[in-house]
Amino acid sequence: AQKITQTQPGMFVQEKEAVTLDCTYDTSDQSYGLFWYKQPSSGEMIFLIYQGSYDEQNATEGRYSLNFQKARKSANLVISASQLGDSAMYFCAMIREYGNKLVFGAGTILRVKS
Amino acid sequence: GAVVSQHPSWVICKSGTSVKIECRSLDFQATTMFWYRQFPKQSLMLMATSNEGSKATYEQGVEKDKFLINHASLTLSTLTVTSAHPEDSSFYICSASRLAGGGFSLREQFFGPGTRLTVL
Repeated sequence: AQKITQTQPGMFVQEKEAVTLDCTYDTSDQSYGLFWYKQPSSGEMIFLIYQGSYDEQNATEGRYSLNFQKARKSANLVISASQLGDSAMYFCAMIREYGNKLVFGAGTILRVKS
Repeated sequence: GAVVSQHPSWVICKSGTSVKIECRSLDFQATTMFWYRQFPKQSLMLMATSNEGSKATYEQGVEKDKFLINHASLTLSTLTVTSAHPEDSSFYICSASRLAGGGFSLREQFFGPGTRLTVL
């Protein structure tokens, strides 16, 4: 079974600094996808970034980058130049190659301080 | 593109009544829709997966008779919470996918804005 672990219940970061949100996963599949979503207080789930297990390069989307270390089964999200609007809950999730269900981690609450 | 709406965005009801929540894919055909439940400051818990025209597949521990799911068209799925009780109060989120079962979709699960249910 797939499992996502996010060990940081909450994080603080100073505005304009970078922050890393940890995510480790457990799967016996060779092919899978990893996602990060942002959930602000309004509740909507916002897709941030995706990494495929066979992608050789780390994914980047604007200020978001995914530090993918396959051997360690980690997929940490790096947010550069934090903004106040980045304050939200962040979820790491995984999907199997031949599945359509997303497995979510417990989430990390990020607070950006001015 | 790929917009998913939910209606209502919030609902308050009395204990014992039934509540229907709609999930619509506005600009694409959703072969599969998912329903999640989320308690405050917790993760999303998948309740069921529904494919257009077939019965929903419920996750273990989710009562089928309590949470009725209908996916009658490629753009609409409904979740009905029957005989709601205060413990059913939660945030319900749907998502929609273009996939038809297997395959490896990456970004194509799009989330609705959620419905906050409060049962008095």
